[in-house]
Amino acid sequence: GAVVSQHPSWVICKSGTSVKIECRSLDFQATTMFWYRQFPKQSLMLMATSNEGSKATYEQGVEKDKFLINHASLTLSTLTVTSAHPEDSSFYICSARDQLAGGYNEQFFGPGTRLTVL
Amino acid sequence: SQQGEEDPQALSIQEGENATMNCSYKTSINNLQWYRQNSGRGLVHLILIRSNEREKHSGRLRVTLDTSKKSSSLLITASRAADTASYFCATGLNQAGTALIFGKGTTLSVSS
Repeated sequence: GAVVSQHPSWVICKSGTSVKIECRSLDFQATTMFWYRQFPKQSLMLMATSNEGSKATYEQGVEKDKFLINHASLTLSTLTVTSAHPEDSSFYICSARDQLAGGYNEQFFGPGTRLTVL
Repeated sequence: SQQGEEDPQALSIQEGENATMNCSYKTSINNLQWYRQNSGRGLVHLILIRSNEREKHSGRLRVTLDTSKKSSSLLITASRAADTASYFCATGLNQAGTALIFGKGTTLSVSS
């Protein structure tokens, strides 16, 4: 149980194009999903918190117009990198919180999506 | 934002030796978790320790938590080459539904 998938697992695109990454909770409902970004040899940095049916909350320094997040259902959140540039090349990881979880912060992580912008 | 610091940043040991990694954090927490990440891959959850716990074991892993010092340690005993990976601590805050915040990580290299 508690499986989170991401699609695609990797993507290569040209500079200026937009890329959509999907994050799905396969066997549980997730009212909250989180998006992280990881540059090579660095740690995971939280980008935004995605709540089902409402606007995402972005961390300081993350451009909401560049990283569009949609959480239209309890099992799917999408991250769209708009007008991608080479500096957006990174490993994007989502996580989902089981809405039936207890008080502590148990999150289930997807396998990540490697984005390379040429 | 980043919660904590791990040290050392990099650790190289021989198979069979023990590896100890430390994590410090800044704010009050509900729990602290350790993850492993092999190069270019996703995260593997290792262990969770709650703020009211001081020590926890899982197989060859031993985790301690000292909330007064805002620090945790991860001990891997009898290390194997397959333990080679990056290890991250992540803190869960007291506010329910908030994201885990990751430390900078320790890169462990175990040579045979």
